[in-house]
Amino acid sequence: NAGVTQTPKFQVLKTGQSMTLQCAQDMNHNSMYWYRQDPGMGLRLIYYSASEGTTDKGEVPNGYNVSRLNKREFSLRLESAAPSQTSVYFCASSPGQGNFNTQYFGPGTRLTVL
Amino acid sequence: SQQGEEDPQALSIQEGENATMNCSYKTSINNLQWYRQNSGRGLVHLILIRSNEREKHSGRLRVTLDTSKKSSSLLITASRAADTASYFCATAREDNFNKFYFGSGTKLNVKP
Repeated sequence: NAGVTQTPKFQVLKTGQSMTLQCAQDMNHNSMYWYRQDPGMGLRLIYYSASEGTTDKGEVPNGYNVSRLNKREFSLRLESAAPSQTSVYFCASSPGQGNFNTQYFGPGTRLTVL
Repeated sequence: SQQGEEDPQALSIQEGENATMNCSYKTSINNLQWYRQNSGRGLVHLILIRSNEREKHSGRLRVTLDTSKKSSSLLITASRAADTASYFCATAREDNFNKFYFGSGTKLNVKP
């Protein structure tokens, strides 16, 4: 089991460029999440998908879009990158059954926007 | 932020000592979880405590929850150098347990 995988590991963009961060999980989990972590801070929820076919905004959704492609995959798109989006992005998944979800995290994507 | 703060922001102790870190939050919760993050890595789940529980143990970890004060604490007993990491609390909202809010974290350094 690979768990949660993310690609790419590192990315440098210029302001205004677009890119998609990929996330996949092989644990048959229902729920998936995208977070960003700025230096010295905790994680902030960008978007989540409680189940296949649904997506909802988190705490900081502006400037991002997501797609739950299937049960395994959940992608995050930056349409027009800005320096304020420089951060480390983490994808996570959880079983989504019942009220007590623990999350399993990927290794992160370190994004720099110049 | 919807989440409160963790304190201390940083903690340095000797191996064998106990480490206590605290978390405060603002909203009504379904549960509270603690995660650990080694430098440059993803987060790893440590322990979950439900809103109707007051204390929970797992190995060298002890978590308490006081919903009246909207606060939690994590105690690591007999710490080891390998416990050096950042520790984060995360709350799941009472009205939407898929929406998680993370604290700013406590950076723990355990000196051998």
